[in-house]
Amino acid sequence: SQQGEEDPQALSIQEGENATMNCSYKTSINNLQWYRQNSGRGLVHLILIRSNEREKHSGRLRVTLDTSKKSSSLLITASRAADTASYFCATSRYNTDKLIFGTGTRLQVFP
Amino acid sequence: DTAVSQTPKYLVTQMGNDKSIKCEQNLGHDTMYWYKQDSKKFLKIMFSYNNKELIINETVPNRFSPKSPDKAHLNLHINSLELGDSAVYFCASSQASGPLAETQYFGPGTRLLVL
Repeated sequence: SQQGEEDPQALSIQEGENATMNCSYKTSINNLQWYRQNSGRGLVHLILIRSNEREKHSGRLRVTLDTSKKSSSLLITASRAADTASYFCATSRYNTDKLIFGTGTRLQVFP
Repeated sequence: DTAVSQTPKYLVTQMGNDKSIKCEQNLGHDTMYWYKQDSKKFLKIMFSYNNKELIINETVPNRFSPKSPDKAHLNLHINSLELGDSAVYFCASSQASGPLAETQYFGPGTRLLVL
């Protein structure tokens, strides 16, 4: 299967703590994206990191990419109850607009 | 204003029926997609259209037939529905295809339950 793997499958933390999610993929990529899915809703794009980038920040989000290990991590700092959602990584290969999604991490942030 | 909209939101139907799901985007994007998310939350692409032309067809059974009347609409027709078709179907769009394709914008999903 081309599907990426995410780790952990589920994560429960208290408000204020940091949450780290990891994503591993199998093929060379053009870019890697992270999406959030609230329960019963569609996916919302969070951040995109290109294959020639190693780290990117957006607000409380920090994404790293290690192409040699074919892995990425998403760090959410100072988490809030509103961050409770499923988080998916998705990879895009060169010359295609097809996104391959990971298996997702379910994050629960307790107030 | 809703960027990517889908109708219906919920669809409950009997096995063997034929049904359609509609998708519209008002973002002016060139490319539209259909994804299927199963009960384990695995999200997999089914089809991609660019300017009304089929780009990606991911070995989906031919009971599924996408139709793009114009670049703002991509509908999904499903013939002879089976129990295994029960899932959430998401429409998405993006600004460009090929090596420049980037962020995809998703609709709210259509929850299909086949009884």
